[in-house]
Amino acid sequence: KQEVTQIPAALSVPEGENLVLNCSFTDSAIYNLQWFRQDPGKGLTSLLLIQSSQREQTSGRLNASLDKSSGRSTLYIAASQPGDSATYLCAFREGSNYKLTFGKGTLLTVNP
Amino acid sequence: DAGVIQSPRHEVTEMGQEVTLRCKPISGHDYLFWYRQTMMRGLELLIYFNNNVPIDDSGMPEDRFSAKMPNASFSTLKIQPSEPRDSAVYFCASSLDGSGYEQYFGPGTRLTVT
Repeated sequence: KQEVTQIPAALSVPEGENLVLNCSFTDSAIYNLQWFRQDPGKGLTSLLLIQSSQREQTSGRLNASLDKSSGRSTLYIAASQPGDSATYLCAFREGSNYKLTFGKGTLLTVNP
Repeated sequence: DAGVIQSPRHEVTEMGQEVTLRCKPISGHDYLFWYRQTMMRGLELLIYFNNNVPIDDSGMPEDRFSAKMPNASFSTLKIQPSEPRDSAVYFCASSLDGSGYEQYFGPGTRLTVT
């Protein structure tokens, strides 16, 4: 069974700092992965989607990478802002099944 | 597009009562997913549909839970009878068909069973 681990569980940084969120998985037979953002009391917003054949995806200040051989994905946030404060979740799709398996998330706080 | 719409946003009910959660997916999306989020277990897939047909319901916790999708624009998740341990946030998501399409989530329904 695919297990997804996100470290750290919580992270607090000063505004302007670059940061990396980590996501690890146990089964390399993934189809793709998504990074989501969840604000308190809200739903999930998709940030980036990486296909298994890709190594990274970029959107604005966000860059997500995928290394299947090591079972890791990272989300890099450049020049962090207080508005980036939220919980960030990674999720993997397994093979032909459309099921997404989620990590527990990293709670990010960016202090002004 | 208005995105995925869920109702109600909040539901408080007493143990033993029937609860029905509703979802309207994004128009044109072929896949619909129901998830449950709790502090202990995180986000878990309950069931998903393709073209209104249930494909994988292995995440449905017990027979008290049932889901239907009578047409492409509406789905329900029903809990009967409800129990306090069912208290959670229930999310609906939808996706286009094809490989690698993103899932788009609704705002969720926060269910409290007392």
